[in-house]
Amino acid sequence: EDKVVQSPLSLVVHEGDTVTLNCSYEVTNFRSLLWYKQEKKAPTFLFMLTSSGIEKKSGRLSSILDKKELFSILNITATQTGDSAIYLCAVDSLLAGGTSYGKLTFGQGTILTVHP
Amino acid sequence: NAGVTQTPKFRVLKTGQSMTLLCAQDMNHEYMYWYRQDPGMGLRLIHYSVGEGTTAKGEVPDGYNVSRLKKQNFLLGLESAAPSQTSVYFCASSYGRGFRQPQHFGDGTRLSIL
Repeated sequence: EDKVVQSPLSLVVHEGDTVTLNCSYEVTNFRSLLWYKQEKKAPTFLFMLTSSGIEKKSGRLSSILDKKELFSILNITATQTGDSAIYLCAVDSLLAGGTSYGKLTFGQGTILTVHP
Repeated sequence: NAGVTQTPKFRVLKTGQSMTLLCAQDMNHEYMYWYRQDPGMGLRLIHYSVGEGTTAKGEVPDGYNVSRLKKQNFLLGLESAAPSQTSVYFCASSYGRGFRQPQHFGDGTRLSIL
């Protein structure tokens, strides 16, 4: 059974701090790993990672994948109150049965709270 | 841009009642998905569809049915609601077989079963 585990489950920091969120996975037929940010409503897409060792960056957020050790990290530098959200890690893998269709398996999410 | 639209946004049902959740997307996406999100458990896939007229079971399909009569719409039905189905339901869509396309999510439907 495919499994995605995130840590920590919750994190409380102050503005300006740097945080690192972790995601480890065990899936068959891995295709990519995705990070989403979820505020009050819909999860919004942050990054998609397919290759090991290549960092993706968007402003103060960055992420990297290690396919050998089966994990990814999401870094947020100089945190702001607007970064408060649930951060979801998901792994895209091929469905069983030899099809070319994929499915996402989500981790539990990390609840990040940034205080002023 | 509308993207993925879910209706209703909130609903309270009594045990045993039935209802249908509607998901509509205007991005011409082939794939559509229904998830449920419960505290501490992330999002779990209920059913999905890889094209008009096709549906398949996900991780937690029991107690739910789906239909995809039109490419842009994906319906999730609860035939006899149970308290265990109290959850937030998200619909998502994505392009076809090219796996480098992320899923786009609707704003969710908060469903309470009393």
